[in-house]
Amino acid sequence: AQRVTQPEKLLSVFKGAPVELKCNYSYSGSPELFWYVQYSRQRLQLLLRHISRESIKGFTADLNKGETSFHLKKPFAQEEDSAMYYCALGYGGSQGNLIFGKGTKLSVKP
Amino acid sequence: DTGVSQDPRHKITKRGQNVTFRCDPISEHNRLYWYRQTLGQGPEFLTYFQNEAQLEKSRLLSDRFSAERPKGSFSTLEIQRTEQGDSAMYLCASSLGAHSGANVLTFGAGSRLTVL
Repeated sequence: AQRVTQPEKLLSVFKGAPVELKCNYSYSGSPELFWYVQYSRQRLQLLLRHISRESIKGFTADLNKGETSFHLKKPFAQEEDSAMYYCALGYGGSQGNLIFGKGTKLSVKP
Repeated sequence: DTGVSQDPRHKITKRGQNVTFRCDPISEHNRLYWYRQTLGQGPEFLTYFQNEAQLEKSRLLSDRFSAERPKGSFSTLEIQRTEQGDSAMYLCASSLGAHSGANVLTFGAGSRLTVL
């Protein structure tokens, strides 16, 4: 069955430190992976998707099919990065049904 | 167009009552999704529509739940005979149709249901 695992419920770092939010998935087909973010009192929004291979707000994520991972990284964390981050797996082609992980709360301390 | 709109934002009801939530998607999006999110969990897929056709329903969607999108625009999610376990945030999202934009979901702010 399809599954997304985010092992850390909370990740706390100091401003300027590197950040890595872990995401592992389970899916036998060709996955489409996403990171969604929810800032305080805002709605859930797309941060980035693996197909785009782009950097958004300094964040990058590389799909590693061998390790079935899609970790989110940023070299220097900023206080405004504090938010809830969800990894999501799209399966079944372009069906649009996403399976979300339980989320990791990132707290960046000054 | 102000994005995906959901109404009401908060609903408190007594167990056994029926509740209905409404979602207005982004106008050019022909796909509409309902998700449910409980405390400490990520969003869980409930159902989705391509225009007015309901194409998939999750096993989470018991027979007390019904969703419609009669004209392919707004959608309603009704929960009959609510139970305390139905307390959650109900999220609506929309996306473009097939091909590369299909999986890029734009979410609404959600409708929070509390069943007493």
